[in-house]
Order: sequence, then structure tokens, then C-alpha cells
Amino acid sequence: DVKVTQSSRYLVKRTGEKVFLECVQDMDHENMFWYRQDPGLGLRLIYFSYDVKMKEKGDIPEGYSVSREKKERFSLILESASTNQTSMYLCASNTQGALNTEAFFGQGTRLTVV
Amino acid sequence: ILNVEQSPQSLHVQEGDSTNFTCSFPSSNFYALHWYRWETAKSPEALFVMTLNGDEKKKGRISATLNTKEGYSYLYIKGSQPEDSATYLCAFMGNAGNMLTFGGGTRLMVKP
Repeated sequence: DVKVTQSSRYLVKRTGEKVFLECVQDMDHENMFWYRQDPGLGLRLIYFSYDVKMKEKGDIPEGYSVSREKKERFSLILESASTNQTSMYLCASNTQGALNTEAFFGQGTRLTVV
Repeated sequence: ILNVEQSPQSLHVQEGDSTNFTCSFPSSNFYALHWYRWETAKSPEALFVMTLNGDEKKKGRISATLNTKEGYSYLYIKGSQPEDSATYLCAFMGNAGNMLTFGGGTRLMVKP
């Protein structure tokens, strides 16, 4: 059974804290993604990684950074959490260059910044 | 920012109605178009991955068509059931970098 696992289902953090959201996949996928989901706005791409140590900014990278030191793990970092980063965060992964590039998602992390 | 748009934003139908949604995407640098179903309290799950212009795919009562030249895809649900209630997302995958960009989704509610 394929799996994308996010480290926490719910998180509450204080304004100004450094926050780490972890995502691990066991499918040997090259691509990994971090999205946030807000009511009425669908899934917005924060960052994308297509290989170890490689990353590209998505549509809303401001206030976030990422780390991909190993192929299976993609971390999202909030350098100094702010209340406008309260959201649902979803990690996904898929393979490159194949006919079936279906993405698999983690269960989501609901982050509240107070 | 890639422009991937879905309409309508939400839809209420009666059980048994057939319905359809639209996804529009860039017509250049196309690699694939995905459709996902996202039920409340669950993760999005893929319905279809479509790659060829003119493609039609079907899974039970749900089907999808693809027009890459004009940049749109339709998702059809025949005889909607309450268990079809979910948000339906489309995602564009371009051939530069394999980035997956989602539309805003269509939220479907099927009343018994």
C-alpha cells in the first residue's frame, strides 16, 4: 500500500516560532510537493522538489522554505510563523516522465498559529 | 503563475441528476491533466490522468474528456449519488519541470 505520511495531523504554534512540517513517501518518487488549502482557494503550490537538494518556488513561497536531503523526505519550514499561515498543509508526491503521473497525498496537517 | 481554472465553484444537484464541470488550462507545454476527488476528512485521490488530445476516460458513472489544443477538460457524473458529494480538482502538469498546478476545485453536493 503506497504511502505519503505527514508528521502531524494537527499543530498549534505561536507567532514567531520556527515550524517544521515533515513529509515522507515510500514510493521512490522523484517529485514532491507542498500545498496549502484555504477555503475557496483550492490547493496552492508553495514549493516543489524534483530531486534531492533541488527545489522550485511555487505560487506562494513567501515566508516558507523547504529541505530535501533524502529522496523520501521533504520538509516545509516556516521561518517565523505568522497568523496568516494558519491553514491546511498537504504534501504530495509523484513520479516523473511516466504515462501515469498520478500524485499521492498525505493526510494533511492543520496548522493554527496563535 | 499558471492559470488553471475550474467552473462552477460549487454545485448542488438532486440524487439522480447528471452533471458536468469544466477545467481550463494553458494549451502550451502540455504534459498531462489530472482529475482528483477530495472527500471531507480524507486526502485527494486520483480519478484520471489524461495525456492525449481527444482522450476520454471512464470509471463507473464518472467520465472525462480532454482537449489539449484549446486547453479544457470536462468531468461528467451520470446519475449523481449522495456519495459523489466531494470537491473535484483538476491539475495541470506541464512538460517543464513536472510541476503540478491545481485549479480551485468544484464542490459538488448531491441531495438525497
